[in-house]
Amino acid sequence: GAVVSQHPSRVICKSGTSVKIECRSLDFQATTMFWYRQFPKQSLMLMATSNEGSKATYEQGVEKDKFLINHASLTLSTLTVTSAHPEDSSFYICSATGEGAGDTEAFFGQGTRLTVV
Amino acid sequence: GDSVTQMEGPVTLSEEAFLTINCTYTATGYPSLFWYVQYPGEGLQLLLKATKADDKGSNKGFEATYRKETTSFHLEKGSVQVSDSAVYFCALMIYNQGGKLIFGQGTELSVKP
Repeated sequence: GAVVSQHPSRVICKSGTSVKIECRSLDFQATTMFWYRQFPKQSLMLMATSNEGSKATYEQGVEKDKFLINHASLTLSTLTVTSAHPEDSSFYICSATGEGAGDTEAFFGQGTRLTVV
Repeated sequence: GDSVTQMEGPVTLSEEAFLTINCTYTATGYPSLFWYVQYPGEGLQLLLKATKADDKGSNKGFEATYRKETTSFHLEKGSVQVSDSAVYFCALMIYNQGGKLIFGQGTELSVKP
């Protein structure tokens, strides 16, 4: 199947700093990428949907100025957590769909564990 | 709106026991249905899928059948192993939403030797 690579897998940052998480599709063109957040022992909560070359669509309740999403190319989307605080600590997962990956499946990155201290 | 409901966990079984994890859905369109598995500290891996009614998805001994009449997609395995211990997520995808997935709450499975 298609491969999505997410980096870094773990990051620890100080409160008030910004952190960038990358999501890359390695062998297909990801026309749409999704960013999810997962709290411990809970399900995945969709944060936003990004289409290459256009602004991301955020789910209700997600602060677009805090969680900046850029999808500048067909193989890369980034999520930047700005001015991070301890409550932003979570597991962030991206997924991607697109040409070459099939129309009926989304492929997931391995996730990023963010800890804000 | 569209939604997925899974049976609550955790589910604890002995090795070689039979597994069923129930999943039902509500959708206005014609969804594809998925089961994903998540091992501790990792992302999601696709376990199996079904794209239309009466399809059966299967992989690694796991099976699930897309039942439109009961809006269900229950996951089954005849004989679980310790290595099957993980969290299992049922999900649906609506075709015209670009791959957006709606997840159930997840069911934690623990298999004891």
